[in-house]
Amino acid sequence: AQKITQTQPGMFVQEKEAVTLDCTYDTSDQSYGLFWYKQPSSGEMIFLIYQGSYDEQNATEGRYSLNFQKARKSANLVISASQLGDSAMYFCAMRGNSNSGYALNFGKGTSLLVTP
Amino acid sequence: EAQVTQNPRYLITVTGKKLTVTCSQNMNHEYMSWYRQDPGLGLRQIYYSMNVEVTDKGDVPEGYKVSRKEKRNFPLILESPSPNQTSLYFCASSLLRGASTDTQYFGPGTRLTVL
Repeated sequence: AQKITQTQPGMFVQEKEAVTLDCTYDTSDQSYGLFWYKQPSSGEMIFLIYQGSYDEQNATEGRYSLNFQKARKSANLVISASQLGDSAMYFCAMRGNSNSGYALNFGKGTSLLVTP
Repeated sequence: EAQVTQNPRYLITVTGKKLTVTCSQNMNHEYMSWYRQDPGLGLRQIYYSMNVEVTDKGDVPEGYKVSRKEKRNFPLILESPSPNQTSLYFCASSLLRGASTDTQYFGPGTRLTVL
């Protein structure tokens, strides 16, 4: 069975600093996708970044990058130059062929607060 | 603009009064899915659809129905809502080129309260 673990319930970071949100996973699938989503207090679920299990390069999207270490089964999200608008819940998620209904399997999330 | 839309965004209703939450996507995605998000339980899949007229149960289908008559629309129907269906509901869609790697895009969510 798949499992996504986010061990940081809450994180603080100062504006303009970088922050790393941790995510480890467990799966028996050979092919899988790892995703990060942002959920602000308004409730939407916003896709941020994707990493495929066979991708050799770490994914980047603007200020977001994914530090993918396959052997360690970790997929940490790095946000550079934090902004006040980055304050939100962040979810790591996985999708693989063994997922029932091709559903996303989410971690419990990390609440990020960016302070001035 | 590529997007998934849901309506209504907020709904307060009473036990037993049938309701439908609409979901529409303009990205020509084959796959669509409904999730509910509850504190302490995270996101759980209710139903999903691989294409028109192809739907199947997710992890928590009891009390819900869906239909997929057109590729772009995937409404969620609560025939007789109960208070335990009070939740935040998300519709999501994706391509199905390679199911394990396709990104699911979410609608803005529907906050449902059943009194």
